[in-house]
Amino acid sequence: AQSVTQLGSHVSVSEGALVLLRCNYSSSVPPYLFWYVQYPNQGLQLLLKYTSAATLVKGINGFEAEFKKSETSFHLTKPSAHMSDAAEYFCAVSLNTGGFKTIFGAGTRLFVKA
Amino acid sequence: DTGVSQDPRHKITKRGQNVTFRCDPISEHNRLYWYRQTLGQGPEFLTYFQNEAQLEKSRLLSDRFSAERPKGSFSTLEIQRTEQGDSAMYLCASSPSGTGTEAFFGQGTRLTVV
Repeated sequence: AQSVTQLGSHVSVSEGALVLLRCNYSSSVPPYLFWYVQYPNQGLQLLLKYTSAATLVKGINGFEAEFKKSETSFHLTKPSAHMSDAAEYFCAVSLNTGGFKTIFGAGTRLFVKA
Repeated sequence: DTGVSQDPRHKITKRGQNVTFRCDPISEHNRLYWYRQTLGQGPEFLTYFQNEAQLEKSRLLSDRFSAERPKGSFSTLEIQRTEQGDSAMYLCASSPSGTGTEAFFGQGTRLTVV
């Protein structure tokens, strides 16, 4: 069965610093991978997705993620954090079989210090 | 395109009462999902519809939970005899057909059982 592990439930960075949020997945078949962001009391918004094309995926708001099959990882990065990036981030995996459902990690809350 | 709409946004109910939530997906999307999210956790899959057919249900979905999607348009999620453990955010998402398609989320219904 597929699963997602996000390393670190909380990450704190200074404004302008590099953001790195870690995600490892488990899947028996090539997965589709996603990063979503959630602001308080809101639904989830897609940041970016990997669907077996380029391994480096660029998303909205300056975020990008790199798919590394050998490491089963899909870490999210942003070169320079903004205060507005403070939110909860979820890594997710989806298979194109069965129910097409998306399985989410437990999330990483990003704090940005001034 | 008005996005995925959920109603109500908030619901407070007494233990033992029944509640029903509504989800209106993006009109051209034939896949619809319900998720439950508790504080500090990622969304947990509950059930999935392809058009009007309910194709998958999670073991999390006890007999007190029922979901419908008549005519393949809007969906309802009913919880009978609510318990305090049902308190959570209930998220609805929809996606179009095709491979690697991402889910578009509504803003959720926050249920509080007192």
